[in-house]
Amino acid sequence: GDSVIQMQGQVTLSENDFLFINCTYSTTGYPTLFWYVQYSGEGPQLLLQVTTANNKGSSRGFEATYDKGTTSFHLQKTSVQEIDSAVYYCAMRDPSSGSWQLIFGSGTQLTVMP
Amino acid sequence: GGIITQTPKFLIGQEGQKLTLKCQQNFNHDTMYWYRQDSGKGLRLIYYSITENDLQKGDLSEGYDASREKKSSFSLTVTSAQKNEMAVFLCASSIGLGGDTQYFGPGTRLLVL
Repeated sequence: GDSVIQMQGQVTLSENDFLFINCTYSTTGYPTLFWYVQYSGEGPQLLLQVTTANNKGSSRGFEATYDKGTTSFHLQKTSVQEIDSAVYYCAMRDPSSGSWQLIFGSGTQLTVMP
Repeated sequence: GGIITQTPKFLIGQEGQKLTLKCQQNFNHDTMYWYRQDSGKGLRLIYYSITENDLQKGDLSEGYDASREKKSSFSLTVTSAQKNEMAVFLCASSIGLGGDTQYFGPGTRLLVL
């Protein structure tokens, strides 16, 4: 069935470090891919989304490229700040497989040290 | 803009107890959702509703009931709380199903003693 895999449960960086969070997906169709961010005490909020393969999405300095060849949607940021500390969820929706549901990965807790 | 309010913020229950969580949204969205968030497992869909008085089961509906008596509100009931259960329940809304962005509330944190 459809799934989203985030292997990194926790990532700890220092300010100005480069961020790379893995995300791979599995589906038979042509999904839309998302990154959600959840700050402490809040609900998840949409960070960025990409509908078309080989396109890049970006928001607030974060980028992710929809790579259909490797079925990946890794999240990157050149220089993280302490305020970026949060849980990041990769997600997908694939209506072409007959489902509108958002499928979430298990999340990656990012901690940025000052 | 709009906001989603969830009450209570924290809920402590006893094993076997029936517990109700409430959600209100002022986006005027048609579709509302309940998700369960467990550490290391992401978000899993419990129930959703595409309009007032509509209810649809998600992948995790067993052990839960839901109610959508008004467009702006969506309640979730844990029918029999399980001992040592600990999770966060997130309510969300969107204009419709499909490609619309889902907006989440801050969550209700459940602990069962």
